[in-house]
Amino acid sequence: DTEVTQTPKHLVMGMTNKKSLKCEQHMGHRAMYWYKQKAKKPPELMFVYSYEKLSINESVPSRFSPECPNSSLLNLHLHALQPEDSALYLCASSQDWGTPSTGELFFGEGSRLTVL
Amino acid sequence: KQEVTQIPAALSVPEGENLVLNCSFTDSAIYNLQWFRQDPGKGLTSLLLIQSSQREQTSGRLNASLDKSSGRSTLYIAASQPGDSATYLCAVLTNAGKSTFGDGTTLTVKP
Repeated sequence: DTEVTQTPKHLVMGMTNKKSLKCEQHMGHRAMYWYKQKAKKPPELMFVYSYEKLSINESVPSRFSPECPNSSLLNLHLHALQPEDSALYLCASSQDWGTPSTGELFFGEGSRLTVL
Repeated sequence: KQEVTQIPAALSVPEGENLVLNCSFTDSAIYNLQWFRQDPGKGLTSLLLIQSSQREQTSGRLNASLDKSSGRSTLYIAASQPGDSATYLCAVLTNAGKSTFGDGTTLTVKP
């Protein structure tokens, strides 16, 4: 099973709402990632978790709050977002992180977020 | 800072043609290079991973090569089909643990 599952597939929220994106993998991977992708642009790294610890935060605004409850789950909590935060949010996982044995990045199908 | 460039930005070919997509990167201190395809509105599907010590990888009609010293990789697609139409992205993993993506090549294969 090489699947990364993301929910919900689509999310519409107002600027005062609080919502969460969820990601799950059962490949035994120790690293999980959040990426943001705008239309016709490549994915941009937001956060990296390695062994359930936050390893990289790419200066992401605090209105995005990641959480890694266990090695299989990754959440992204959203609060007081702006319309420019509308994008496709992609979760990914890999065997390891920061080493030559990192291996392949496996991506989920993404959560399409629209902020009104 | 690693920079990744993909040429061409868009490519349109008739069905059955063989084609090459190019990816170049500025810093040769990489762990691996990975090729993905992305269909509109979808996630990224991994096609091939080449470790820094490898020269090429093959999967079906796809062949990817890596020349780390010159900072180049190519993705060769044989006997292209309309179902190959998608955006192809290369990503370079540096020893800082970050993958840098190129802007992609959008491929259209016409029946």
